[in-house]
Amino acid sequence: DVVMTQSPLSLPVTLGQPASISCRSSQSLVHSDGNTYLNWFHQRPGQSPRRLIYKVSHRESGVPDRLSGSGSGTDFTLKISRVEAEDVGVYYCMQHTHWPPYTFGQGTKLEIK
Amino acid sequence: EVQLVQSGGGLVKPGESLRLSCAVSGFTSSNAWMIWVRQAPGKGLEWVGRIKSKSDGGTTDFAAPVKGRFTISRDDAKNTLYLQMNSLKTEDTAVYYCTTDLNWIWGQGTMVTVSS
Repeated sequence: DVVMTQSPLSLPVTLGQPASISCRSSQSLVHSDGNTYLNWFHQRPGQSPRRLIYKVSHRESGVPDRLSGSGSGTDFTLKISRVEAEDVGVYYCMQHTHWPPYTFGQGTKLEIK
Repeated sequence: EVQLVQSGGGLVKPGESLRLSCAVSGFTSSNAWMIWVRQAPGKGLEWVGRIKSKSDGGTTDFAAPVKGRFTISRDDAKNTLYLQMNSLKTEDTAVYYCTTDLNWIWGQGTMVTVSS
């Protein structure tokens, strides 16, 4: 199984400041079709997860451009250029290049300082 | 509007069975691969299993902890997905979510508690 490792697991950030979350996979996530199936999800307390980013860097409709995804191979990053109050919650990376199973990172909890 | 509405959770004893449902509206789920994910209390997300679309064979895959105990089925005429959970264990206690890798919209989640 592909292991997804996120860091940090806890991320206190001051409003208006940038934030960055790393996600590393135990093997390359490049699929034989040339795509890299790496998603980022955000889960607010008591809510269902919401996908923010798909295929490494493509933002879902409605996701602000303050959020961006990047990376390749085994190293991926989610960046928030200026953290706002609505960004609190837990962020998960997830791969579905190599399945089964689809695998998630442990989650990174973002909170406001 | 795309919606996935779940039902069927509850409290059961170890060894018992439970069936969860996920009713899809706003898009035709027959072309989608449908997925179940769970989240134990205070923990992260864990993929449970997936059923392919009928056009892709309709086959299922499961995570190791539930393989042989859980089954996934779909009724495309009703746009509904099911998760049949047998021989439940205390470690299956979690919120269960349905979603689809067509658009990764998630259901509201349903709590399953396995306790004697």
